[in-house]
Order: sequence, then structure tokens, then C-alpha cells
Amino acid sequence: RKEVEQDPGPFNVPEGATVAFNCTYSNSASQSFFWYRQDCRKEPKLLMSVYSSGNEDGRFTAQLNRASQYISLLIRDSKLSDSATYLCVVNMSPTNFGNEKLTFGTGTRLTIIP
Amino acid sequence: SQTIHQWPATLVQPVGSPLSLECTVEGTSNPNLYWYRQAAGRGLQLLFYSVGIGQISSEVPQNLSASRPQDRQFILSSKKLLLSDSGFYLCAWTSLINTGELFFGEGSRLTVL
Repeated sequence: RKEVEQDPGPFNVPEGATVAFNCTYSNSASQSFFWYRQDCRKEPKLLMSVYSSGNEDGRFTAQLNRASQYISLLIRDSKLSDSATYLCVVNMSPTNFGNEKLTFGTGTRLTIIP
Repeated sequence: SQTIHQWPATLVQPVGSPLSLECTVEGTSNPNLYWYRQAAGRGLQLLFYSVGIGQISSEVPQNLSASRPQDRQFILSSKKLLLSDSGFYLCAWTSLINTGELFFGEGSRLTVL
């Protein structure tokens, strides 16, 4: 089993629709979780952290399910500019002190169709 | 504000040739520094990380090496490139006050022929 697993997609979604991605992780001791966004041929950038209680940032909602070991990202009212690859990232460092154990998923590619 | 730069942005190298990628960070001190590689269709793979000058930890065995000669400088090298070294190389930094956010450079796209 991969340490961090994502559906690679591609997800082709009409503009204005709601889309959700899931990501599963294998290490139950993982401490922190993130979603990064990567545009084509560009570097990844942090989209949002994922907190235990779930968190929302505008049209984006992230949730964590520790029991089932997955995190999710929901995008509402999708825009053309949301087209990108979304990377699930899990920090497996036992101390949550350093970032040397950040493990990236392979990413889910999203294309918003006009 | 903090910035990170890496170069060159693109390079095409023959098998067996040497490699040097350089990364510098500005606007912060004592950052944690990282080299990642992203191969086509694969996730980012951590190659090296450094918590200070001269301190390098390697995550995977390979024919690459890293050095940190100065606090904000991180260099990725190879004496002899392999075809499998092709990929998108990303330098990143973070600091202990961050909440897990990695800041990436623009990346260096390497093609080995």
C-alpha cells in the first residue's frame, strides 16, 4: 500500500459544479495534513492545511477522518482557474517538529470545463 | 519577505555528464532546506534535507549528492548522470515557526539523453 494514495483523475468538471477529492494515508501516527496545488509545469503551493475538526476557506473545505485514515478536499462553485493538480500531503514525522517526513501523493488532476 | 530561487530552470544533459543545481533562499536565516524530484506521473520524492550548514540527510540511495556550503545555499550534484535522473527538481525551504508549509523554488527541469 502506498503511503499516500490519491485518485490520479483526470476529473473533468463543468464550471460551477462541486467536486471532491479523497486521499488515503497508511501511517496512523501521521500528525498533520495539507492540500497543495500545482499548476502545469510549476512548483506546488500550499492551498490549505487540514485540521482535525475540518476547515473551510472560501469555496474550499478540507476534512480529516483519522479513523478511516483519509482526508478530503471539496471545491464548491468551481472556477476555470481551479484547473490544476491537487496534491495530498501527509507529515509522518512522529514529533511534528520538522518537515523532513512530508510525503506527497501523486496528485489529482482537475480540469474545469467552460 | 522571503524568496527562494533555483537555477538553471531547464537543462538537457547527456548520460554520464555532471550536474549542478543551485538553490538560494533570501529573507530568512537557518531555514530547513530540501531537494525533491518529481518524475512524470509520480509524486514528489524527497531526495535530501538539511537543517544546517554542512548537515545533509539523504532519503534514498542514488547517484546524487547535496551540499550546504552556506546557511541559505543548497546545491544538488551528480558526477555522472543516468537516464533515470530525468525529472523536475524542486528546492524548498521551511522554518520551525511554519505550520508545515513548504515554500518551493520555481523548479529545474532536467532531461538526460
